[in-house]
Amino acid sequence: AQSVTQLDSHVSVSEGTPVLLRCNYSSSYSPSLFWYVQHPNKGLQLLLKYTSAATLVKGINGFEAEFKKSETSFHLTKPSAHMSDAAEYFCVFMDSNYQLIWGAGTKLIIKP
Amino acid sequence: DGGITQSPKYLFRKEGQNVTLSCEQNLNHDAMYWYRQDPGQGLRLIYYSQIVNDFQKGDIAEGYSVSREKKESFPLTVTSAQKNPTAFYLCASSIDSGPYGYTFGSGTRLTVV
Repeated sequence: AQSVTQLDSHVSVSEGTPVLLRCNYSSSYSPSLFWYVQHPNKGLQLLLKYTSAATLVKGINGFEAEFKKSETSFHLTKPSAHMSDAAEYFCVFMDSNYQLIWGAGTKLIIKP
Repeated sequence: DGGITQSPKYLFRKEGQNVTLSCEQNLNHDAMYWYRQDPGQGLRLIYYSQIVNDFQKGDIAEGYSVSREKKESFPLTVTSAQKNPTAFYLCASSIDSGPYGYTFGSGTRLTVV
């Protein structure tokens, strides 16, 4: 069965340091994968998506993610955290019926 | 500006009452979705609709109902049969059911009092 696992429920980094949010998936075929961001009490915004083109995907606000088939991973990174990046981030897998399967989310905390 | 509008932002319901959450989009998207979000969990699909006058149950449809009489509108009714309705509800739309990102509304927080 297809699934997506976000390995950390909370990640805390200092402003100006790198961000790494980890996501692993389970699938028998090459998936479509997405990262969404949600600020408190707001809707979700698409950060980036992977749909079997380039394995390194660049998104908005300086985020990027690399699809690694051998590791079944799609980790989200940013070189330098900003206070405005504090939010919850969701890794999302699209199954063969085009339905979205959501990770449980990772709360990103930015320390001044 | 095109987008999805959910209303109200906050909603309080007495036990035993039905309430309807509004979702309107002006993106000309064919597909629309309702999700429920609880703390510490990913989003769970309640209902989705790929075309007017047609909709399908998602993973947690019990206690909910929807209609899709117009392309722009996909209201969700939380019925008294839903045992634990307090949650954050998100509406989304997409061009079709293909591998594209969804556009989300800003959500409705429903609290049972």
